[in-house]
Amino acid sequence: DTAVSQTPKYLVTQMGNDKSIKCEQNLGHDTMYWYKQDSKKFLKIMFSYNNKELIINETVPNRFSPKSPDKAHLNLHINSLELGDSAVYFCASSPRTSGIYEQYFGPGTRLTVT
Amino acid sequence: GENVEQHPSTLSVQEGDSAVIKCTYSDSASNYFPWYKQELGKRPQLIIDIRSNVGEKKDQRIAVTLNKTAKHFSLHITETQPEDSAVYFCAAPQGFQKLVFGTGTRLLVSP
Repeated sequence: DTAVSQTPKYLVTQMGNDKSIKCEQNLGHDTMYWYKQDSKKFLKIMFSYNNKELIINETVPNRFSPKSPDKAHLNLHINSLELGDSAVYFCASSPRTSGIYEQYFGPGTRLTVT
Repeated sequence: GENVEQHPSTLSVQEGDSAVIKCTYSDSASNYFPWYKQELGKRPQLIIDIRSNVGEKKDQRIAVTLNKTAKHFSLHITETQPEDSAVYFCAAPQGFQKLVFGTGTRLLVSP
């Protein structure tokens, strides 16, 4: 299936731990994103990569570090997890390098920090 | 930067009624306005979008209208059905490849 996939779907961990979320797209898109959706459903962009290059880096704590080994993969590593990091994290991809086009979202990773 | 406001935050309608959700944006240079639907526990999915060179676009029961002068755009759903119940997000572009999303509208369609 052509899609944006994320692993894991659920992640429950304790404060202070380090965790990673992986994202892969097989749509041939050039641009990938990480979004955070909090309990009020607000969708906020965190990072964007275009052909492995970081192009958007919102005001996100340094504990969050994205990494793009190739244009089909974008991972998110989070150090020293805090309670406020609990949210659903969505990966997304977009087909064009210029202009704004449809963003295809992954299924989300629900992170719960206890 | 772009600021997107979305209203209402919740909307309850009876099956068969119409539903309208409105968004305003601040950047007059914005030229692309998508609407996403997010069902409970699912990912946001694009349902319709419009570019600034047209004023209205329809796809079966859904339509989007754009007023560039007033800097607002609206989603119209006619003949609503229970499966239309979801959270709907509007968005507008800011800079290169970035979308700013509205705060979402929870639509509930009662049978």
